Amino acid sequence: ETGVTQSPTHLIKTRGQQVTLRCSSQSGHNTVSWYQQALGQGPQFIFQYYREEENGRGNFPPRFSGLQFPNYSSELNVNALELDDSALYLCASSRTQTRGAQETQYFGPGTRLLVL
Amino acid sequence: KQEVTQIPAALSVPEGENLVLNCSFTDSAIYNLQWFRQDPGKGLTSLLLIQSSQREQTSGRLNASLDKSSGRSTLYIAASQPGDSATYLCAVLLMEYGNKLVFGAGTILRVKS
Repeated sequence: ETGVTQSPTHLIKTRGQQVTLRCSSQSGHNTVSWYQQALGQGPQFIFQYYREEENGRGNFPPRFSGLQFPNYSSELNVNALELDDSALYLCASSRTQTRGAQETQYFGPGTRLLVL
Repeated sequence: KQEVTQIPAALSVPEGENLVLNCSFTDSAIYNLQWFRQDPGKGLTSLLLIQSSQREQTSGRLNASLDKSSGRSTLYIAASQPGDSATYLCAVLLMEYGNKLVFGAGTILRVKS
C-alpha cells in the first residue's frame, strides 16, 4: 500500500506568478483535502475534493483552486501569488463512506512554497 | 466557529520525565479528535485518534484522553526520550460539509538528554 505523495517538495516563485501543486492519494482513498501551514502555526483547511467535486472550502480567496482526477489524485492551483502564500502545503487523503462518514486523513510530506 | 487551543506552546523537559500536553476546543460537535506529530519541515504523522464516543486511546508510551462535554483532550507521554522532540498538534474533525480538520497551533516539545 503506497502512502500519500506530493510534488514538488520545494518551490520558489515570485509575487504575481501562478503555481500548481500535486498530490497522489493513498490506495483505496477517494477524498483529498488540502491544508496551508504557515510557519509556527497549525494547518488551515483550504478545501476538500470528493468524487471530483469540491466538498467544502475554508476561508481562502478564489485564486486558490483545485482539481481532483478520476484516479483520485489532486492539484492545488494558486494564482497571483502573494508573499503571505509562503507556507507548507499539505495534502491529506481519506476514504469517505457512501453515507458521508469520513475515515482518518493521512497526510503527505508537503510542498514548501516560498514566494519572493 | 470551532477554535482549538494548545497549552503550553513550548515545553522543555529532561529525558525520562512523564509529561502532559493539553488541547481544548470550543464546539463539542466533533466527529473525532486526533493527535499528530510533526518533525521540523516535515508532514504530519498521526499518533492517536479518539472517536467522539470514546474516552481514551493508548499506543505504547502515549495515552490520549477526550472529554467532549468540557471540550478538552490531553496527550500523556510516559518516560520521554530525546527522539520524542517534535511539534505535537491536536486536531478535531468537524461533522459538517467538508469534514475538515481544525488544528491547534501545536506544542513544541524538546526532550533533553
